Amino acid sequence: NAGVTQTPKFQVLKTGQSMTLQCAQDMNHEYMSWYRQDPGMGLRLIHYSVGAGITDQGEVPNGYNVSRSTTEDFPLRLLSAAPSQTSVYFCASSPQGTDEQYFGPGTRLTVT
Amino acid sequence: KDQVFQPSTVASSEGAVVEIFCNHSVSNAYNFFWYLHFPGCAPRLLVKGSKPSQQGRYNMTYERFSSSLLILQVREADAAVYYCAVECGSARQLTFGSGTQLTVLP
Repeated sequence: NAGVTQTPKFQVLKTGQSMTLQCAQDMNHEYMSWYRQDPGMGLRLIHYSVGAGITDQGEVPNGYNVSRSTTEDFPLRLLSAAPSQTSVYFCASSPQGTDEQYFGPGTRLTVT
Repeated sequence: KDQVFQPSTVASSEGAVVEIFCNHSVSNAYNFFWYLHFPGCAPRLLVKGSKPSQQGRYNMTYERFSSSLLILQVREADAAVYYCAVECGSARQLTFGSGTQLTVLP
């Protein structure tokens, strides 16, 4: 199994541009989530999904959209990038929310 | 607002036992999770639970609103960021602390 994969690994955007961060897992996990990591702030939950077709907001959802059309994929969309969205983004999955979450390697995003 | 608190830095000498403390203000919390994170890599679960538990050199203590991670015989290679997280909410999502940077002195 490849586990949780994220693409791209690095990305630079200009303010106002849009993009999608990709996340995929091949472990048939129901639960997937997106976090952002900022210095001194730890990992903050952006959005999560408890199964295909179901998504919900986490602690910091503003400026981000998600969808979950399949069990495997959970893309994160930035509709109009802002410098405040400069961060490292981690995707994670688990069989259920209560189980160990398996993290991807992260995407480092810089918005200028 | 539900919050999880942990020190920003901890330093230890090589070979010692190092303790990283975590407490929270989450009213409907379930388990504690302790993750290890090396920069550029995926965070990795070390130990979890709602009771004291051990995984290799990693021990976890448990109280309702606090937990400590104890790393036995700490090594320079253990220098990393350690995250405490609390499971909460109807969907049992994780709320993370801000992370503790462990420095190991030779």
